[in-house]
This record gives sequence, structure tokens and C-alpha cells, in this order.
Amino acid sequence: DSGVTQTPKHLITATGQRVTLRCSPRSGDLSVYWYQQSLDQGLQFLIQYYNGEERAKGNILERFSAQQFPDLHSELNLSSLELGDSALYFCASSVADGVGYGYTFGSGTRLTVV
Amino acid sequence: GQNIDQPTEMTATEGAIVQINCTYQTSGFNGLFWYQQHAGEAPTFLSYNVLDGLEEKGRFSSFLSRSKGYSYLLLKELQMKDSASYLCAVIIGDNAGNMLTFGGGTRLMVKP
Repeated sequence: DSGVTQTPKHLITATGQRVTLRCSPRSGDLSVYWYQQSLDQGLQFLIQYYNGEERAKGNILERFSAQQFPDLHSELNLSSLELGDSALYFCASSVADGVGYGYTFGSGTRLTVV
Repeated sequence: GQNIDQPTEMTATEGAIVQINCTYQTSGFNGLFWYQQHAGEAPTFLSYNVLDGLEEKGRFSSFLSRSKGYSYLLLKELQMKDSASYLCAVIIGDNAGNMLTFGGGTRLMVKP
């Protein structure tokens, strides 16, 4: 157990729907990062939050949004889902900005869009 | 743009040594990480280099040359359980935020 908790572990939904993925960071970590990993692809950075504020943005689609709450858990919202959104979505956390500390990853949410 | 390149696949024999190379061209550099990822599982931290040179940790070592934009991960005394993807990642950022940018990963197959 890495200490980063992601729910749900699996999600199957239809095209056009909206889903919310949840992440609780490791105790003491202020930064949360979201990554997408499609089949046999590398990890694509989506977005970073630090202590409730958005800090960095990667290749995140406009249909996707995220937020970090006062208790530091984070949610990733995916809307108007398409077949191509099927992927593993990882959340990671770090103490501060990750430099020197690395990121600790959760076990991921496997999203299947049918 | 950011470019992080590593071989797609490698095969090695149990008990042998394998070196996985990574080259990068990024706007900014705050360190380089290596992660191990078994299929369908979370990446797990292996090593971090920010200064030039070799970092050794048990059977795994990682080397960095910032002037060449080059790193390698060395795995010694290979075991079957080392069959996994190995991800090279560079941390890029500034005071506003940072992102850990990954290469495509190298799938290592260890054969008996």
C-alpha cells in the first residue's frame, strides 16, 4: 500500500457520460498529480494541484476538469466520454513540488468507455 | 516540446546485467527519475538523479550526464521478477508548478 488511495478501481460507462475519479494523497503530501495511461502508452501528465490550487497543466482536454479540496483529496471529472478516453488514470502525490522526493502513485482507476 | 526517448523493448537473461538508456531534451530540468511499472500496476520509485554521476542502490544503479541529456538504469543479477516496464522521467518546472514528464517506457523481458 503506497498510501495514495484511488477510487473506484474499475469503472465501466457509456459514451457521452460523465464520471468522477477520486484520490486521497499520502498523509502529509500537499501536491496531487493526475496522469492518464492508455493501453501500451506512456504516462501523460494531466494536471497538478498544490494545497488546493492548480499549479501546472499538461495535455488535459477541456472535457476534463479537476479540483483539490481543503482536506487535500482531489477529484478528476471526465465528461462527454469518448471511446478513446478508456485508460488507466493514476493519481500521485508528493510532499511539496516533487523535486528530490519523487511522486508516490496510487493503484489507479481503470476506466472503460463502451 | 519535451522529448524523452528510451528503447521500446529489451530482452535479457536471468542473472545477467542490462542497461536501459534514456535521452532527453526538455525545457528546464530539476532532476531525473526511474520508475518500475508492472503491467496494470502503479509505477514505483527506483532512483533519482539531479547531479552528474552514478547512484547505486542494491542491484539497481542510475547514471546521469546533464550536459549530454543522458541517463541509464543498470540492473544487475537479473531476476524473473524484474520483467516490467522501466520509465524514465524528467521533472520540469518553475516556482509556479512542476510536472514529471515520462518517456514511453522500456518493456524488459527477463528470460530463464
